[in-house]
Amino acid sequence: GQQLNQSPQSMFIQEGEDVSMNCTSSSIFNTWLWYKQDPGEGPVLLIALYKAGELTSNGRLTAQFGITRKDSFLNISASIPSDVGIYFCAAQWGNFNKFYFGSGTKLNVKP
Amino acid sequence: EAQVTQNPRYLITVTGKKLTVTCSQNMNHEYMSWYRQDPGLGLRQIYYSMNVEVTDKGDVPEGYKVSRKEKRNFPLILESPSPNQTSLYFCASSAGTAKETQYFGPGTRLLVL
Repeated sequence: GQQLNQSPQSMFIQEGEDVSMNCTSSSIFNTWLWYKQDPGEGPVLLIALYKAGELTSNGRLTAQFGITRKDSFLNISASIPSDVGIYFCAAQWGNFNKFYFGSGTKLNVKP
Repeated sequence: EAQVTQNPRYLITVTGKKLTVTCSQNMNHEYMSWYRQDPGLGLRQIYYSMNVEVTDKGDVPEGYKVSRKEKRNFPLILESPSPNQTSLYFCASSAGTAKETQYFGPGTRLLVL
């Protein structure tokens, strides 16, 4: 199947710092998505991107759909303790019913 | 309250003993899907369903079956579970026109001995 390479695997940051994570692939995708998973729960959609080059914000979160359609990044500004969790990138290709997920970035925020 | 429910939440079983994990959504969603989550691998799609009686394979369908007899329910069936199916399973649903906005259930943690 398709492979999404997500990095970093984990991050330990101080409250107030900005965070950046990204996803790359050797394949072209039509849609890039970013999810957050809190402990013991299912993922929740944060941002969806539909066009190459698109830059979308959701509060302190900003994500971009790479111009080559093979990558995406997520930035979190001024992190707070409730940002703690695992962030996943996901993408759709061709058949819009199939989804591929990255391996996740575990974010730890120290107050 | 709009939600996706899964049962059971935790299950310990033995190799070869058939089991079913139920999934139900109350949002009248057309699209439903099953994923497994393993450490270091993220979520991998097992099966999905576009609507009643319409199902198709995801990335890792081997060893699993699904059915969609009613719009709200999408059970995952393991006919003969094996230890490599020990995992955290998530069901998700979305409206047909916004499949990317999937709502995930709380997860089912399965251990196969």
